[in-house]
Amino acid sequence: AQSVSQHNHHVILSEAASLELGCNYSYGGTVNLFWYVQYPGQHLQLLLKYFSGDPLVKGIKGFEAEFIKSKFSFNLRKPSVQWSDTAEYFCAAPPSGGYNKLIFGAGTRLAVHP
Amino acid sequence: NAGVTQTPKFRVLKTGQSMTLLCAQDMNHEYMYWYRQDPGMGLRLIHYSVGEGTTAKGEVPDGYNVSRLKKQNFLLGLESAAPSQTSVYFCASSMRTENEKLFFGSGTQLSVL
Repeated sequence: AQSVSQHNHHVILSEAASLELGCNYSYGGTVNLFWYVQYPGQHLQLLLKYFSGDPLVKGIKGFEAEFIKSKFSFNLRKPSVQWSDTAEYFCAAPPSGGYNKLIFGAGTRLAVHP
Repeated sequence: NAGVTQTPKFRVLKTGQSMTLLCAQDMNHEYMYWYRQDPGMGLRLIHYSVGEGTTAKGEVPDGYNVSRLKKQNFLLGLESAAPSQTSVYFCASSMRTENEKLFFGSGTQLSVL
């Protein structure tokens, strides 16, 4: 079955540290990938998305993600985190057949300490 | 600027009781979804709808029913609640033309005792 895996369930960082959250998907063919974020007390929202073209995509708030086809990965990165980046991050992908069945990873809870 | 509104926000049920979760969106979105979120399992799709009067099963549909009688509303029903249905439920909607961009509600925390 198609799946999306996030290996880090909890990450704790100090402000200004660099961040990389792992995401792996299990299927081939046309791949579209997404990162969603849920800040404390707020709704889940789209952070960034990859459809095709440049494998390095940039999202809001300084986040970026790199699609590496050979590794089936779409890791989320930020060079220097801030306390306000404390949130839960979800990687997601649609299985073949359309976007109306997005598969989400288990999520990674990021806590950034001042 | 309401977006996606879910009611209620919290609910406690006894095993065997029934209830309906209401989702309303004011963005004229064609697609609507119900997900459940459980620790360590991410969000799993329960049911979804691509338009008024149409519904389809997602990944974990058993024990739930849905209806979309109006474009702006998507109801999730539990006919006979079970402890395994204790979860956080999220409703979402999206445009047909950009349906990878989901707009989520704030969630409903449901506990079944």
